[in-house]
Amino acid sequence: TQLLEQSPQFLSIQEGENLTVYCNSSSVFSSLQWYRQEPGEGPVLLVTVVTGGEVKKLKRLTFQFGDARKDSSLHITAAQPGDTGLYLCAGATGNTPLVFGKGTRLSVIA
Amino acid sequence: KAGVTQTPRYLIKTRGQQVTLSCSPISGHRSVSWYQQTPGQGLQFLFEYFSETQRNKGNFPGRFSGRQFSNSRSEMNVSTLELGDSALYLCASSLVRGTYGYTFGSGTRLTVV
Repeated sequence: TQLLEQSPQFLSIQEGENLTVYCNSSSVFSSLQWYRQEPGEGPVLLVTVVTGGEVKKLKRLTFQFGDARKDSSLHITAAQPGDTGLYLCAGATGNTPLVFGKGTRLSVIA
Repeated sequence: KAGVTQTPRYLIKTRGQQVTLSCSPISGHRSVSWYQQTPGQGLQFLFEYFSETQRNKGNFPGRFSGRQFSNSRSEMNVSTLELGDSALYLCASSLVRGTYGYTFGSGTRLTVV
């Protein structure tokens, strides 16, 4: 069974601080996806990384896929209250269903 | 373009009843997946359909079933509801299989009392 471990589970920071969320597995994935979910809504896709070592930037968010395609990280620079939400990583392999981590609940306090 | 539409948004049912949830994917998307989300377990995979065929099924009891129609719309059914079935049920669609990402609906919040 493929598992994705996310850390930390909860994060509460002040506006303007930087943070990193980690997503780790012992399995190799063909792609790693990051989603953000707000209360009462479904997850929204932020980015997909497919190549080992790949780095993608989305404004203040930086996503990295590990060289061995087993792990990924999300770094947020100068967090803002609008970044508050549940961040989910999800791994895809061939013909198996997408596997989700349990998420990191981020709270950014103004 | 319209997103993934799930109906109803909220549902309250009594133990022992059955329920049917509906999902209309983005136009042109042929792959539809269903997930159950609870605070303790996170997103758990239920089913995946592609062109009316079930491609994968998660580790849920036989009370959970689903289907996909020729227009790619999908339904899932839960019979003999239990309190533990209370959850947010999410539907996601993609053009092909979700290797490059899914578009999720807003979900159906099911409460079993």
